Amino acid sequence: DTEVTQTPKHLVMGMTNKKSLKCEQHMGHRAMYWYKQKAKKPPELMFVYSYEKLSINESVPSRFSPECPNSSLLNLHLHALQPEDSALYLCASSQGRLVGVDTDTQYFGPGTRLTVL
Amino acid sequence: GQQLNQSPQSMFIQEGEDVSMNCTSSSIFNTWLWYKQEPGEGPVLLIALYKAGELTSNGRLTAQFGITRKDSFLNISASIPSDVGIYFCAGPGAGGTSYGKLTFGQGTILTVHP
Repeated sequence: DTEVTQTPKHLVMGMTNKKSLKCEQHMGHRAMYWYKQKAKKPPELMFVYSYEKLSINESVPSRFSPECPNSSLLNLHLHALQPEDSALYLCASSQGRLVGVDTDTQYFGPGTRLTVL
Repeated sequence: GQQLNQSPQSMFIQEGEDVSMNCTSSSIFNTWLWYKQEPGEGPVLLIALYKAGELTSNGRLTAQFGITRKDSFLNISASIPSDVGIYFCAGPGAGGTSYGKLTFGQGTILTVHP
């Protein structure tokens, strides 16, 4: 089973709203990721969690707040977003430090299509 | 940041034709990954290559890990309409980068005409 699930599938929010994106995996992976993807472009890394601790923040604005409650779950809390934040948000997971850095294969979820009005 | 040079950028083909795309890099990779992404969906891993020179098939898909470890290609034989999507090559851990840093190609947009 190589499944990563994400909810919701679609989200429309105003600039003053607070919402959360959720991600779950049950593959025993110890690394989880958030990516942002614009149309027809490769995914852009936002955050990496390794063993439930934030290990990489790619200079993401503070209106995006990640949280990793346990090894299977990853949340992305959204607050005061801008219209340019509209994009497909992808979650991914991998074995992380259970394997070598150069063989660590990431598996992606189906994404959440976010529209900010 | 680092990028993989993926070509072609787009392809328009007739159903039944074979397709070939490739990725090259100035850095050595020890793993090459090929993903397919359909509209509105996340990337799906098609093939993972872990050994230089490795040739791996998955149905009508064949991918090879270049012997120099700086390139990889993906072939699709006898294309069908459901092959439509964007194909990305990717590699983890190039040049000593940290866990989580996956380098992507810019993608090949494939259109198949029935």
